[in-house]
Amino acid sequence: KQEVTQIPAALSVPEGENLVLNCSFTDSAIYNLQWFRQDPGKGLTSLLLIQSSQREQTSGRLNASLDKSSGRSTLYIAASQPGDSATYLCALNSIQGGSEKLVFGKGTKLTVNP
Amino acid sequence: DVKVTQSSRYLVKRTGEKVFLECVQDMDHENMFWYRQDPGLGLRLIYFSYDVKMKEKGDIPEGYSVSREKKERFSLILESASTNQTSMYLCASSLSPSEANVLTFGAGSRLTVL
Repeated sequence: KQEVTQIPAALSVPEGENLVLNCSFTDSAIYNLQWFRQDPGKGLTSLLLIQSSQREQTSGRLNASLDKSSGRSTLYIAASQPGDSATYLCALNSIQGGSEKLVFGKGTKLTVNP
Repeated sequence: DVKVTQSSRYLVKRTGEKVFLECVQDMDHENMFWYRQDPGLGLRLIYFSYDVKMKEKGDIPEGYSVSREKKERFSLILESASTNQTSMYLCASSLSPSEANVLTFGAGSRLTVL
């Protein structure tokens, strides 16, 4: 059974810092991995998707990497801003019991202080 | 530019009431999903559908049912609401299963059952 872990559960940094959010998973047989952002009381916004055959994806100040052999993904945020404050979730799309299934981590709550 | 619309952002219902949560997507996606999100438990899949009139149970289907009569609409039904169904409900949609399968979420429906 696929398990997804995000550590730390919460992170507080000063504005301008570069930071890394971690996501680990137990089963490397995945279709893709997606990083989402969630603002309080809102739905999830997709940030980046890394396909199984890819190693990384970049969008602006965000860079996501995928290492299936070690069961890890990281989301790198450069030059953090207060507007980056949100909860970040990773989700793995994998095969379980013969069916495709998306499994979410519980998220890392990021606070960027001005 | 709204693509997945959840008709009710906030609902307050009484125990025993029948509750309908509606979700509509305008991206011609085959797949639609209902999740609930609770503090400390993350996102849990309730039901999903890969096609019109087709439904599959997720991890926590008890106390819920769904309806998908048209491709763009996926409804979540609580036949007799209970207080333990107080939660944030999130609808999502995606194209057919593939490595490039990006999941798009609605804004969420926060349900309180008194």
